Amino acid sequence: EVQLQESGPGLVKPSQSLSLTCSVTGYSITSNYWGWIRKFPGNKMEWMGYISYSGSTSYNPSLKSRISITRDTSKNQFFLQLNSVTTEDTATYYCARIIPGFFDYWGQGVMVTVSS
Amino acid sequence: DIQMTQSPASLSASLGETVTIECRASEDIYSNLAWYQQKPGNSPQLLIYDANSLADGVPSRFSGSGSGTQYSLKINSLQSEDVASYFCQQYNNYLTFGSGTKLEIK
Repeated sequence: EVQLQESGPGLVKPSQSLSLTCSVTGYSITSNYWGWIRKFPGNKMEWMGYISYSGSTSYNPSLKSRISITRDTSKNQFFLQLNSVTTEDTATYYCARIIPGFFDYWGQGVMVTVSS
Repeated sequence: DIQMTQSPASLSASLGETVTIECRASEDIYSNLAWYQQKPGNSPQLLIYDANSLADGVPSRFSGSGSGTQYSLKINSLQSEDVASYFCQQYNNYLTFGSGTKLEIK
């Protein structure tokens, strides 16, 4: 069974970088697409970006200047880095598998608070 | 980018009732639409993809329909376990979500 697990710090200071890891078991990240989504307080959901089976990436235009998604195929992990965070980036962050535009397997989510 | 307008924002219905949630896209998304259910404390779960295809393991009381810019999710015979938030998501051009519908039991 495909399983995803997010990990990373739950608290990040404003202007710093947010870094999260998604560990995947039961399926190789060298197949399909793998994405990051966040849910803000108040329920709004936002797709952030994805990395493909080949390592190519696509990002939400609203985040393009601040976001980077990379991977380590040897560990079957992919990563999110979001730079120059503000309190507006406080959210629950999810990683998920994409088939081919919708998300069929999700991680449990990690809550990240941006605060000094 | 494509905007998804979802309605209603919240919904209260009785057990056994049929409920419908709507999503309207700002342009034609050619049935590239998914629906998700998110129960409190859990991650979202895929219900419907390609506007009307039921995801594996999803009860048949859930159904999706629509085309062009107008789509809907119908839940027949509402059960207590259907209490959740529901989101639509288009994948015709980038990926965008609706604002969500919170479903409660009356």
